Parts: sequence; C-alpha cells; structure tokens
Amino acid sequence: GAGVSQSPSNKVTEKGKDVELRCDPISGHTALYWYRQSLGQGLEFLIYFQGNSAPDKSGLPSDRFSAERTGGSVSTLTIQRTQQEDSAVYLCASSPGLLYGYTFGSGTRLTVV
Amino acid sequence: GESVGLHLPTLSVQEGDNSIINCAYSNSASDYFIWYKQESGKGPQFIIDIRSNMDKRQGQRVTVLLNKTVKHLSLQIAATQPGDSAVYFCAEAGGSQGNLIFGKGTKLSVKP
Repeated sequence: GAGVSQSPSNKVTEKGKDVELRCDPISGHTALYWYRQSLGQGLEFLIYFQGNSAPDKSGLPSDRFSAERTGGSVSTLTIQRTQQEDSAVYLCASSPGLLYGYTFGSGTRLTVV
Repeated sequence: GESVGLHLPTLSVQEGDNSIINCAYSNSASDYFIWYKQESGKGPQFIIDIRSNMDKRQGQRVTVLLNKTVKHLSLQIAATQPGDSAVYFCAEAGGSQGNLIFGKGTKLSVKP
C-alpha cells in the first residue's frame, strides 16, 4: 500500500488477556520496526526486523512480548497476559533499510483495564 | 545509556516568526539524524534528515544544523505557521541494532 497500515487503531482489553497488533509495511521496505509510546513520552524501541532474518529480541520489555514477521512483510506484535503498564500507543515503521528515514503508521492505542 | 535529549520541552512562537528546536545527542558514533513531527493522534512524520558528513541541510522552510563537536542538532522552521504546531522529535541512528533512538520531544505551539 501507499503507507504503513496498523490494525486495530484502538484496542481496549482486560488485564490478563492476550492481544495481537498487526503491521503492514510499505511494499518493498525490508526493514520493519516496532516502538512504544507512552502518554506524553518519546518512542521506546522494541524490536527490528530486516527481511526474513531472525530479530534481536533484547529490546522487548518482558517475555510477555513477542513479535514475528511472515514472508518478510506483515508483522504481528503479541502481548500475553496484558498488564496496565502495557497501555500505550504501539507504533510500527518501515524503511528501505538502515540509515534511511522511517515511515510510521498511525499506531495502535492499547488500553488495558 | 545512550540517549537523545531536548533542551526545551515546550516552545511557543508567534505566527510568522522563526522557530528553533534544539537537541543534544550522546552517541558520538551516530552518523545519521532525523527530525520528526507528530500531530495529535498520528504517527511521527519525517521532516528532514542529515548525515554526519554534513553540517547543514535545507528543506522547504526547514533547516537542520549538526554540530558534531558538541553533539548538538537543531531544527529551524522559517515563518512558522499554525499548521506547524505539533511535537517535534529528534532521532539518531545510534541504537545497538542500528535503530533510531528518539528523544522525548518538544511541543511547538504557534500563536496566531
């Protein structure tokens, strides 16, 4: 598509439930990134995919977080047993590669109640 | 740890004036820097970038200046307009995975 697409745009979930957030990057972009933005804060890096390579998961905040990227395109960020501190906007971005500007999606606003 | 910070969290300017947003970065090995603009409810939008072999780059109404000696980055917006009101983030390609590290942002408010 023309831009980075994220779904859902908003998600309200109960504490302890699992959630899946989806990112569809710009066609042809090999690099895909997930960031988290808490209210009024900057962007916290979570994970990066380059093509089909296995990602470095060290940026994920806990083992409840996982991410995958299928076929070098669509990515899913999964949060298991959600906690209230997981509430944030989750942003996905893609780029043609390293040292290029990212194009961000509009994000998924996650609220854990 | 590595970080990118901003000198001013908020900036209020009169419409038509020039705006300057400053940023300090800590990783002297970073070789790529970007400014992003984020409007309420939207993802960050790319404004302008600069590589470390340059000290100045101009776009449409925007200029980015890089001073590697003091690890300082600035964004200048000429003739600021109400539509420029947003939060501005600087970012450096200094993350351990080559990812961008973002600062907390500066909120720019333009008074008509």
